[in-house]
Amino acid sequence: KQEVTQIPAALSVPEGENLVLNCSFTDSAIYNLQWFRQDPGKGLTSLLLIQSSQREQTSGRLNASLDKSSGRSTLYIAASQPGDSATYLCAVMNRDDKIIFGKGTRLHILP
Amino acid sequence: KAGVTQTPRYLIKTRGQQVTLSCSPISGHRSVSWYQQTPGQGLQFLFEYFSETQRNKGNFPGRFSGRQFSNSRSEMNVSTLELGDSALYLCASSLNSGGHIQYFGAGTRLSVL
Repeated sequence: KQEVTQIPAALSVPEGENLVLNCSFTDSAIYNLQWFRQDPGKGLTSLLLIQSSQREQTSGRLNASLDKSSGRSTLYIAASQPGDSATYLCAVMNRDDKIIFGKGTRLHILP
Repeated sequence: KAGVTQTPRYLIKTRGQQVTLSCSPISGHRSVSWYQQTPGQGLQFLFEYFSETQRNKGNFPGRFSGRQFSNSRSEMNVSTLELGDSALYLCASSLNSGGHIQYFGAGTRLSVL
């Protein structure tokens, strides 16, 4: 049974710093992995989607990597800004097309 | 292009009642998925509909059901509500089924008293 873990559960960093969020999964037979952000009381916004055959994806200040063999993904945020404060969720799509989410990392960027 | 629209945004019901939530996907999207989000369990997959057929289902009791119409709009129904059904229910649409980026609505917050 696929399990997705995100550590730490919460993180506070000063504005301008680079940071890394971690996601691990127990079954490497995934179809893809997706990173989302969720603002309080809102829905999810897709940030990056990495197919199982890919190693990384980049969008602006965000870079996500995928290492299927070790069951890990990281989301790198460069030059953090207060507007980056949100909960970041990692989700894997299994081969049976079911999506399993981690419980997220609450990120707070200190001005 | 309009995003995913969920109605209503907020809902208060009592135990034993039933509820129907609605989701209008992005125009042209044929797949609609439903999720339940609670503080304790996080986000959990309920089911996915594609071309009016339930394509995939999570581990929820039969009280949770859904359907999709020919215009891809979807409804989710929960019967015999329990206190534990209080949650944010999120709907996501994608162009097709299987591995495509999902776009989420703002959710319906259901409170069961």
